[in-house]
Amino acid sequence: QMHLVESGGGVVQPGRSLRLSCAASGFTFSSSTLHWVRQTPDKGLEWVAEISSDGSSKYYADSVKGRFTISRDNLKSTLYLQMNSLRAEDTAMYYCARDRGNDDYGNWFDPWGQGTLVTVSS
Amino acid sequence: DIQLTQSPPSLSASVGDRVTITCRASQSIGNYLNWYQHKPGKAPKVLIYVASSLQSGVPSRFSGSGSGTDFTLTISSLQTEDFATYYCQQTYTIPYTFGQGTKLGIK
Repeated sequence: QMHLVESGGGVVQPGRSLRLSCAASGFTFSSSTLHWVRQTPDKGLEWVAEISSDGSSKYYADSVKGRFTISRDNLKSTLYLQMNSLRAEDTAMYYCARDRGNDDYGNWFDPWGQGTLVTVSS
Repeated sequence: DIQLTQSPPSLSASVGDRVTITCRASQSIGNYLNWYQHKPGKAPKVLIYVASSLQSGVPSRFSGSGSGTDFTLTISSLQTEDFATYYCQQTYTIPYTFGQGTKLGIK
């Protein structure tokens, strides 16, 4: 059964950094495109970043571009999100998700992890 | 960015009711539209992908339709376990965007 488990969330001061991890099991991690998505009460679900299966292609939401870095370790079946220069508006539940489908047919996210909470506050 | 507008934002219904949620895109997205169910403290779960394909393991009372800019999610006969928040998502172009959600509650 496919499974994703996020970790690394916590309370951090504005301007500081945090690294999230997402451990995968039950599917071929090294063949999968992966995403980070966050959820806030105000903005709902917001896509954050995508990384290709080999890590060569990365895409970011404008709201995090230049501050967040998505990466992966295919030997450890783990996805990461390095978050620098954190702001209060980055406070959210962060989810990792696997991309299914393809560019021609269409793609969707499955499965998702249960999330890790990041709170940016002084 | 492509905006997705869901309606209604919230809905109260009874077990056995037929429920329809709509999602309108700010531009044509073909059939690159997915529907997710989210319950508090749990991982979001895909129900319908590419507008009308039922995810394996999802009950057949869920169905999706539409193309272009207008899409619907229908639950034919509401069950207790269906009370949750539902989101549409477009994967036509990055940044992928979500609707604001429809919270389905018990009447």
